Formats: sequence, C-alpha cells, structure tokens
Amino acid sequence: QSALTQPASVSGSPGQSITISCTGTSSDVGGYNYVSWYQQHPGKAPKLMIYGVTNRPSGVSNRFSGSKSGNTASLTISGLQAEDEADYYCSSYTSGSTWVFGGGTKLTVL
Amino acid sequence: QLQLQESGPGLVKPSETLSLTCTVSGGSISRSSYYWAWIRQPPGKGLEWIGNIYYSGSTYYNPSLKSRVTMSVDTSKNHFSLKLNSVIAADTAAYYCARRVPSTATFDIWGQGTVVTVSS
Repeated sequence: QSALTQPASVSGSPGQSITISCTGTSSDVGGYNYVSWYQQHPGKAPKLMIYGVTNRPSGVSNRFSGSKSGNTASLTISGLQAEDEADYYCSSYTSGSTWVFGGGTKLTVL
Repeated sequence: QLQLQESGPGLVKPSETLSLTCTVSGGSISRSSYYWAWIRQPPGKGLEWIGNIYYSGSTYYNPSLKSRVTMSVDTSKNHFSLKLNSVIAADTAAYYCARRVPSTATFDIWGQGTVVTVSS
C-alpha cells in the first residue's frame, strides 16, 4: 500500500484560510467515506480533527472542515490562528482492510 | 475519560524482539465494539499503521509488517500488546497505541507514545 499524497508544506497568515489536499486512489480515499485528519504538534501524539470525510469530533473548532472529490480529500482551516501551526496527516481505510496515512503537511502560520 | 498508556523498553538490539504494552484506563477493553491499534512514526517522518486487534483476539496487520508482527490482548489486565521481531534500525520510531472506532474507521483516542530505538 502506498502512502497518500499530501503537500509537504503550506503556509498562511493569521485570519486567512488554507487547504491541505490528500490524494489517494479508488481503493482508498475514492472508494470509502472513511477519511480522517489528524493534527500533531511537535513531540505530541496526533489528535483527531476530522473523521468520515466531513465530521468534527466534539471539542474541535468549526474552523476546521473536510471535503472529498473523487480520489482527493481536503482539509480547510479558516481564520488561521497561531495555535494551528502543526503537522497534519490524512488517513483512509483501504480495500485491503488496512489503513494508510499521508506523508504529512507542515502548516506554518506566518 | 478513556486513556491509553504505552509502556516497554526504550532500547532494543538489532535482530531482537520489540515488545510494547498499551494499558487502557477509564473503560473496559472488552465491553465495547472498539478495535485497538498500534501506529508508529519514525523520527521526522509520517505515520504508519501497524495493525488492529479486537478484544476477542482477531487481528489485522499491515501487509508490509505482517511477517514480523504479533498483537495480543489481555482482557483481565485491560491491556493489549505488540511484538515486532527481528528488528532493524528502520524500526526506530515513536510507537502509539490508539482506539479505533468501527463505525467511522477512525482512530479517536491516542496514547502519548513511546520512543523505541533499535541499536546495539
């Protein structure tokens, strides 16, 4: 199984919106509505931000939203804040009953 | 509040077996329909799913690691375990345990992680 493809880095200024893409195949991202997004600050464990493509767990800011089109899922963060600076990972269930993660995207808040 | 905590040796010699345990507190590992997972992250790199286990013992492993991985669960101690044999330097990583939600196929609760270094 190959890792999902994410941009290595994205950046934005406070208050702006950014979008991180996550590209897979019809055997993972495109085939199931089981895409999740995780936020990871340095030295910390990943934190679930989006599940089931578009759903936010309780306690996650509504500035975070998810979507999917074909084999590409996206995470959008609106109203960027300094605390959003972190690494972001997507993941998807696959047709082989396994899970695959993206390579990660480093978000810099300018 | 459910919490997960990894434990085990921080240093393992090449060719030996890496053994980790994840203790679940604040809830029973068997009184639910959840699966339990191991995920690792080499230094400076991305996340890699290792496998899932159900309290009944049924397992699903990453095909790339399947020949070296064994996961088990001990409901009496409310913990589950990972064994990775014949380790090499590339197995050096932070190892996380997590809870997997079956209806959404997501990992919603994670342990803090434990760093394992493979070196002689």
